[in-house]
Amino acid sequence: GAGVSQTPSNKVTEKGKYVELRCDPISGHTALYWYRQSLGQGPEFLIYFQGTGAADDSGLPNDRFFAVRPEGSVSTLKIQRTERGDSAVYLCASSKDRGGNGYTFGSGTRLTVV
Amino acid sequence: AQKVTQAQTEISVVEKEDVTLDCVYETRDTTYYLFWYKQPPSGELVFLIRRNSFDEQNEISGRYSWNFQKSTSSFNFTITASQVVDSAVYFCALRPNTGNQFYFGTGTSLTVIP
Repeated sequence: GAGVSQTPSNKVTEKGKYVELRCDPISGHTALYWYRQSLGQGPEFLIYFQGTGAADDSGLPNDRFFAVRPEGSVSTLKIQRTERGDSAVYLCASSKDRGGNGYTFGSGTRLTVV
Repeated sequence: AQKVTQAQTEISVVEKEDVTLDCVYETRDTTYYLFWYKQPPSGELVFLIRRNSFDEQNEISGRYSWNFQKSTSSFNFTITASQVVDSAVYFCALRPNTGNQFYFGTGTSLTVIP
């Protein structure tokens, strides 16, 4: 597509539930990134995919967070047993390379855990 | 350490005034990239500029200009003759040549008053 698409734009879930957030990157972009942005903060790195593989998942906060990109295009960020502290905007970005030329970001998914 | 500091949390200016947004960075890499992104209320991060660590030439793009000084580890952003449409949160980011992530500052919220 023309830009990075993220769905849903908003998600409200109850504490303890499982959620999936989807990212559809720009066609042809092999690099895909997930960031988390808490209120009043800058985005914080979660995970980086090069193609289908997670090349760097050092930013995932704990084992409740997991992401996949099975065909090297669409990616899904999965959060198990959600906690109120998981509430944030989850941003996806894609780029042609590792990011030296900058990313293109999506509009994000605002996750609220109640 | 890899770190970006944006000391100005919020700035308000009257339309047509000039405004400078400060950015100070720390990195152990000798090769790195610096970026500015704009985040309007819609939430999407919009790429503004990228600079390489080996290119200290300042850049002007319309009303926007950037001052990169390695000696002070700063990469400041000036908007000349500000307009209401410039109101947004602006993020400075560092991309070290090693590793896979961007390091964002906490952002500066700019309000341009008509």
